[in-house]
Amino acid sequence: QKEVEQDPGPLSVPEGAIVSLNCTYSNSAFQYFMWYRQYSRKGPELLMYTYSSGNKEDGRFTAQVDKSSKYISLFIRDSQPSDSATYLCAMMGGSEKLVFGKGTKLTVNP
Amino acid sequence: DTGVSQNPRHKITKRGQNVTFRCDPISEHNRLYWYRQTLGQGPEFLTYFQNEAQLEKSRLLSDRFSAERPKGSFSTLEIQRTEQGDSAMYLCASSLAYTEGMGDTQYFGPGTRLTVL
Repeated sequence: QKEVEQDPGPLSVPEGAIVSLNCTYSNSAFQYFMWYRQYSRKGPELLMYTYSSGNKEDGRFTAQVDKSSKYISLFIRDSQPSDSATYLCAMMGGSEKLVFGKGTKLTVNP
Repeated sequence: DTGVSQNPRHKITKRGQNVTFRCDPISEHNRLYWYRQTLGQGPEFLTYFQNEAQLEKSRLLSDRFSAERPKGSFSTLEIQRTEQGDSAMYLCASSLAYTEGMGDTQYFGPGTRLTVL
């Protein structure tokens, strides 16, 4: 079992839809949870950062962490074609390295 | 531009050749990381430096790979005797350790795409 599991999709939604992305993990030491967005052939760009359990909102993006279930989510409201990218969850704890999921490829259709 | 920069952006080489990549971190950042990403996968950790000290190396980092960060500024990643399996995107990230309440937020560069023929 990999430390971080993420459904690679692909996920295709119409413009304006609410998108839900999620990851599960097995390592209880993870304390810091991030979501990165990666456009094709580019480096990952940090979208959201959450420490421990709870919710965090930034514009159209909401990140949720449920440590009891070892489950994290990213919600995108009013999705736009420019949101089309691969979304990577990443986690850290007990070590300085980030552990990434495989990424979910999202396409938002106009 | 004050972000992480990497050079070259693309490198094509023949099997058996040596290659070297460079990463320039965000100027005030004291930590620098190298990751490798293959198609359809998330980045995988290779190694990281705090200032000039290399503090952790992944088992993925075979003895053909070496990384340096002289003077705690830019870093180089060298791959000797390249193999076709080394073809990947090599990503560099930097962070400012001990930022209060922020853990270790890593900012990535654009990557160097290596193709080994």
